[in-house]
Amino acid sequence: RKEVEQDPGPFNVPEGATVAFNCTYSNSASQSFFWYRQDCRKEPKLLMSVYSSGNEDGRFTAQLNRASQYISLLIRDSKLSDSATYLCVVKGGGGADGLTFGKGTHLIIQP
Amino acid sequence: NAGVTQTPKFRVLKTGQSMTLLCAQDMNHEYMYWYRQDPGMGLRLIHYSVGEGTTAKGEVPDGYNVSRLKKQNFLLGLESAAPSQTSVYFCASEGRTYLSTVLTFGAGSRLTVL
Repeated sequence: RKEVEQDPGPFNVPEGATVAFNCTYSNSASQSFFWYRQDCRKEPKLLMSVYSSGNEDGRFTAQLNRASQYISLLIRDSKLSDSATYLCVVKGGGGADGLTFGKGTHLIIQP
Repeated sequence: NAGVTQTPKFRVLKTGQSMTLLCAQDMNHEYMYWYRQDPGMGLRLIHYSVGEGTTAKGEVPDGYNVSRLKKQNFLLGLESAAPSQTSVYFCASEGRTYLSTVLTFGAGSRLTVL
């Protein structure tokens, strides 16, 4: 079983819709969780950390479910500019450096 | 602006040539990383460093060497380039606090080995 798994997509979503995707992790000892956003041919950038109680940043909501070992990202009122690849990152997930990246979920917002 | 700078941004090599990618950060971070990103493979860790003078192997270290002689710089070397090393290389540095950790990536270096 892979350590951090994401549905690669692509998710094709109309502008204004709500979209959600999950990331599952295998190491129950994982400590910290993050969502990064990567635009085409650009570097990944931190979108938001994921806290145990869940957290919201504008149109973005992140949730952590430790019992089922997954994190989720919800995007409301999606914009064309939300089109990107969203990377799930788990710390304490067993990687050599303690950081494990998912392969990303590709999101396409359509006008 | 504070951040991570990678040079060069693009490079074409012939098989067997050598080169060095430079990563520089001005955030006084201890942790630095080199990743490669290939289609369908996601980010894979090549080498990393937890401080000046220290380096460690990541997931895919073969064919690469690194050095961290100064805290702000992390160099990635290819001694004898192979076509399989054609990739986009990202450097990152990590700022850690008690509550959080944030990776800051450089803009990437596109390497083609012919």
